[in-house]
Amino acid sequence: QKEVEQDPGPLSVPEGAIVSLNCTYSNSAFQYFMWYRQYSRKGPELLMYTYSSGNKEDGRFTAQVDKSSKYISLFIRDSQPSDSATYLCAMSRPYNTDKLIFGTGTRLQVFP
Amino acid sequence: EAQVTQNPRYLITVTGKKLTVTCSQNMNHEYMSWYRQDPGLGLRQIYYSMNVEVTDKGDVPEGYKVSRKEKRNFPLILESPSPNQTSLYFCATRDSNTGELFFGEGSRLTVL
Repeated sequence: QKEVEQDPGPLSVPEGAIVSLNCTYSNSAFQYFMWYRQYSRKGPELLMYTYSSGNKEDGRFTAQVDKSSKYISLFIRDSQPSDSATYLCAMSRPYNTDKLIFGTGTRLQVFP
Repeated sequence: EAQVTQNPRYLITVTGKKLTVTCSQNMNHEYMSWYRQDPGLGLRQIYYSMNVEVTDKGDVPEGYKVSRKEKRNFPLILESPSPNQTSLYFCATRDSNTGELFFGEGSRLTVL
């Protein structure tokens, strides 16, 4: 069993839709949770960062962590064609942040 | 402009022919790392370096070597490439204050 599971998609939605992207994990020691966005032919770039449980909002993006269920989510409101990319979740244990474990990524396509 | 620069971006080579993928950063980050990205497997860490002359194995180090003789450069060496090393490779640095990873644009390697 992989430590981090992520549905590869692709997920295709119309412009303006609310998008929900999710990851599950098996290691209860994970405390740092990140979402990276990767455009085609580019390297990943950090989108959101949360520590432990709870929600974090940044513009149209909300990251949510449910440690009891070992489940993290990224919500995108009012999705735009420019949001079309692959979204990677990543997580690490405390005192071991040099070892990030990545999900396989979910490919999102937002069509006009 | 803050950059992580990888070269070459694309390379086709043959089994057994030694090659080096260079990585250079201008952000003065101490931490650098190499990942490979494969469909269905996501990003997996090959090697990382906490500082000059300090390197350590990641999750998939077999068949690779690295060196860190100066802070800005972290080359990845394939002494005798094999077809199972065909992959998309990313170099990354990390901001020690925020933990954010900064990725290069990737090097697509094909070993025939």
